[in-house]
Amino acid sequence: GESVGLHLPTLSVQEGDNSIINCAYSNSASDYFIWYKQESGKGPQFIIDIRSNMDKRQGQRVTVLLNKTVKHLSLQIAATQPGDSAVYFCAENRGGKLIFGQGTELSVKP
Amino acid sequence: KAGVTQTPRYLIKTRGQQVTLSCSPISGHRSVSWYQQTPGQGLQFLFEYFSETQRNKGNFPGRFSGRQFSNSRSEMNVSTLELGDSALYLCASSLGHGSSYEQYFGPGTRLTVT
Repeated sequence: GESVGLHLPTLSVQEGDNSIINCAYSNSASDYFIWYKQESGKGPQFIIDIRSNMDKRQGQRVTVLLNKTVKHLSLQIAATQPGDSAVYFCAENRGGKLIFGQGTELSVKP
Repeated sequence: KAGVTQTPRYLIKTRGQQVTLSCSPISGHRSVSWYQQTPGQGLQFLFEYFSETQRNKGNFPGRFSGRQFSNSRSEMNVSTLELGDSALYLCASSLGHGSSYEQYFGPGTRLTVT
């Protein structure tokens, strides 16, 4: 069936450290993934995306890695800042329909 | 450019009533999708409208319906409200239909059913 899952519901890191948020998916035909950040009281905000023809994509302080062999993707945030505190979702875009994982709450300790 | 706007932001209804939520997409965007967010089920896709036609539908009962107007604004309606319909309803807009387009989310409408 359709599912996109996350390994951990919460993650606490020290300011300045790197954060890694993981996500697993079940559909081997999945080919487009997006990471979203949702702050309290706001809708999800696009962070970075990756298609299945890539293994890695980098943005500003963020990197997404895709391992199609084990159907796993991860979001790495470099030099985590207090403003990074939020819930992070991985999602698969399947023909315009987003299938979301459950989310990981990232807390950044000053 | 203004972002996606949703009205109202908060709503309290009673079981059995119906409710209509509104979404105005980003100017120039023609696709609007709706999602329900609850602590238990997370974010779930409701439906997508493009050019006034429903293009995609999630696994929700027929009490959930929507429509899109010629200016791309969209409404969703929930009839015969149940306690379990309490949720944050999010609207997302994109330039077009399909997986090539990034979706931009609004702040959501918080619906509480009592």
